[in-house]
Amino acid sequence: SAVISQKPSRDICQRGTSLTIQCQVDSQVTMMFWYRQQPGQSLTLIATANQGSEATYESGFVIDKFPISRPNLTFSTLTVSNMSPEDSSIYLCSAQGHREAFFGQGTRLTVV
Amino acid sequence: GQQVMQIPQYQHVQEGEDFTTYCNSSTTLSNIQWYKQRPGGHPVFLIQLVKSGEVKKQKRLTFQFGEAKKNSSLHITATQTTDVGTYFCAGPVAFGTGTRLTIIP
Repeated sequence: SAVISQKPSRDICQRGTSLTIQCQVDSQVTMMFWYRQQPGQSLTLIATANQGSEATYESGFVIDKFPISRPNLTFSTLTVSNMSPEDSSIYLCSAQGHREAFFGQGTRLTVV
Repeated sequence: GQQVMQIPQYQHVQEGEDFTTYCNSSTTLSNIQWYKQRPGGHPVFLIQLVKSGEVKKQKRLTFQFGEAKKNSSLHITATQTTDVGTYFCAGPVAFGTGTRLTIIP
């Protein structure tokens, strides 16, 4: 199993600013992912964070808005850029284990 | 793209009653996983099903994978207050819409 430390756990940000969310995994993992989850909703995949190359974004998500870094096999960051109230959500990182995905505790973002 | 729907969206049951959530995919799945998310928490892995028609049990939880590998179900027998949460199925690409279970003591 893998343990993922995600921070910050929550933040309140002004519109137009950017927030970087960090995820640290306690072991090397090949695949890491970033999700967004609106309260009471399912998880929507934002992108796959690829080590050593550009992230792979899902439809509706672009690199300029959600730049992702993956400098090594244990760490990744997601930046939410030029935030608006519509970006208020819970952001989760996950790491793919042998069978299952392990999740960070999530970042609850509120944009005012 | 792959779409995974779950029904019901919400389920309220009396403690001790059974609960079932159904998962349907628009495409054939190589495997399906089930997760539980407690209120305010993050998804936690429950099980993975890989084989057509597979049935797995974990204490009071029974998981089934359909013969066509496009649907799955999770059945909880004699629910307890600790079962409260949202249950998600997940294919290799997409998470299901989730079923939120609440228990009336």
